[in-house]
Amino acid sequence: GDSVTQMEGPVTLSEEAFLTINCTYTATGYPSLFWYVQYPGEGLQLLLKATKADDKGSNKGFEATYRKETTSFHLEKGSVQVSDSAVYFCALSLNAGKSTFGDGTTLTVKP
Amino acid sequence: DTGVSQDPRHKITKRGQNVTFRCDPISEHNRLYWYRQTLGQGPEFLTYFQNEAQLEKSRLLSDRFSAERPKGSFSTLEIQRTEQGDSAMYLCASSLGADSNQPQHFGDGTRLSIL
Repeated sequence: GDSVTQMEGPVTLSEEAFLTINCTYTATGYPSLFWYVQYPGEGLQLLLKATKADDKGSNKGFEATYRKETTSFHLEKGSVQVSDSAVYFCALSLNAGKSTFGDGTTLTVKP
Repeated sequence: DTGVSQDPRHKITKRGQNVTFRCDPISEHNRLYWYRQTLGQGPEFLTYFQNEAQLEKSRLLSDRFSAERPKGSFSTLEIQRTEQGDSAMYLCASSLGADSNQPQHFGDGTRLSIL
């Protein structure tokens, strides 16, 4: 079946450090890919998405590129802030829009 | 856009009792999804509706679970004869349209604790 594998956490970085959270997927078709973020005490919210190969999704300084050849969608940010501390979920969506999620990566950014 | 609303936020009940959760999606969204999330894991798909029709159910959804969306607006998820293993966060999400590239908008979830 379809699956998403995320880099295990937790990840702890100092402010202004570079962030990469790895995500790879297995899918029977050609999925759309998403990163969702869950801030402390809040629900999941969309961070960015990409719907076809080589598309780059971006938002709030975060970027991820849909790599079909490596079935990956790694999340990156050049300079993290304390306010980026959250749990990040990689997800794919195929037929009907239901999503398959990774297990999440907890990011803590220290001042 | 008032967002997806779920009620209650937290439910504590004894094993064997029935519980019902409610989800109010974003008003113009025709798709509504239920997920379950346990600690340290991502959300797992349970079922989804397009308008009032329930189009798919995961094998995770045993016969103790039932979901409805009677008028294509709000939805309820009922769990009968609750078990310890039902303890989890139950998430509702909605989206507009049927394309897989439409993001889902999530509620804050209902946390179920079985004593």
